Amino acid sequence: QSVLTQPPSVSGAPGQRVTISCTGSSSNIGAGYDVHWYRQLPGTAPKLLIYANNKRPSGVPDRFSASKSGTSASLAISELQGEDEAYYYCQSYDTGLSGSVFGEGTKVTVL
Amino acid sequence: QLQLQESGPGLVKPSETLSLTCTVSGDSSSRSSFNWGWIRQPPGKGLEWIGTVYDSGSPFYNPSLKSRVTISVDTSKNQFSLNLSSVTAADTAVYYCARHVGTGHWDVWGKGTTVTASS
Repeated sequence: QSVLTQPPSVSGAPGQRVTISCTGSSSNIGAGYDVHWYRQLPGTAPKLLIYANNKRPSGVPDRFSASKSGTSASLAISELQGEDEAYYYCQSYDTGLSGSVFGEGTKVTVL
Repeated sequence: QLQLQESGPGLVKPSETLSLTCTVSGDSSSRSSFNWGWIRQPPGKGLEWIGTVYDSGSPFYNPSLKSRVTISVDTSKNQFSLNLSSVTAADTAVYYCARHVGTGHWDVWGKGTTVTASS
């Protein structure tokens, strides 16, 4: 049911930078609603990583950054570390749902 | 620090009602004027929004589940609950309760509880 499209997987070597895209539509990101990002380690609950397009909660390192433009958003992870191996989800508000919509999730693999 | 904990049966028979409770504990100042909701994750799949109860008391549900879902809040017990009727195997998932900031992000999550719909 996801209406936010993410690549299934991205990978990079330690120390490299990877980016994850999140493509929406005029009923969510394109309508001006904020995009948020979560990280989910295996067997654990998602954890808020970025909110309101580019804001980091306390404790999230500045290696994580995000941006939004038009109907899309992206998350960048620089100085990739082994602990960054996880699933990453984008989320926004959708007028068709009158509620939250999540991306399909992207698995980040550290080579 | 605010904490959320889901509780309820881990096994529900098809056609019956799934009932879960989320208990909110910790910083009391972090409980008022917020919205609360449920999100689920089927095995090996992504996250699906189930519904949100806003501070005003108004609930909003995912249209795909709306006919079967009820979310309610009991402020006296610092709890909110999820009822999902007429379950099928497709409702098998990890169910998370979480705090919803406005119509935006979900900032505090429970650890999740696995519910299997099976006879």
